[in-house]
Amino acid sequence: GQQVMQIPQYQHVQEGEDFTTYCNSSTTLSNIQWYKQRPGGHPVFLIQLVKSGEVKKQKRLTFQFGEAKKNSSLHITATQTTDVGTYFCAGPPTGTASKLTFGTGTRLQVTL
Amino acid sequence: NAGVTQTPKFQVLKTGQSMTLQCAQDMNHNSMYWYRQDPGMGLRLIYYSASEGTTDKGEVPNGYNVSRLNKREFSLRLESAAPSQTSVYFCASRRGVGADYQPQHFGDGTRLSIL
Repeated sequence: GQQVMQIPQYQHVQEGEDFTTYCNSSTTLSNIQWYKQRPGGHPVFLIQLVKSGEVKKQKRLTFQFGEAKKNSSLHITATQTTDVGTYFCAGPPTGTASKLTFGTGTRLQVTL
Repeated sequence: NAGVTQTPKFQVLKTGQSMTLQCAQDMNHNSMYWYRQDPGMGLRLIYYSASEGTTDKGEVPNGYNVSRLNKREFSLRLESAAPSQTSVYFCASRRGVGADYQPQHFGDGTRLSIL
């Protein structure tokens, strides 16, 4: 079945440093979604990318979808303590759009 | 505007006991999902209901059953709880049916411990 892997599993940065997480799927994706889960909380939708090579920005967050639509990245510029949490990518398995396969997640810790 | 509501928020069971986790959404969404999340791991799909009246197995369905009671409610039942089912359970819903790329909206989760 489809596998979605993320690296790194964990990253600890100092406030103000940049952060990037990478998402790789074993199959081509029709779209990719990113979610953030704060410690003790539930996943919250951040953004969706649909087109090959698409780049979207949300303030300090930049999302990219690979040309082959099998990988994606999330880059945070100048991290803040409010960025703490686990970031998940998710994409639909081949042949269906009714469900998502979530990536393994990257946990981000930010200290002053 | 409650969104997705899960009950209970916490539960402790003994091995072999049964229980039902409840989920209700007030967004008129068509699709609903049950996930489990184990420490340090991602979300694994247990069952989902793409539309009212249908249910399908996800990645880890063994030991669970579901009921899509109506468009609003989707329950998850553990018939004979096992320690391996200790986890945080999330319910989610999505507006669309099929390929419309709508995001999922999650409830706050049920933290379930089985002794």
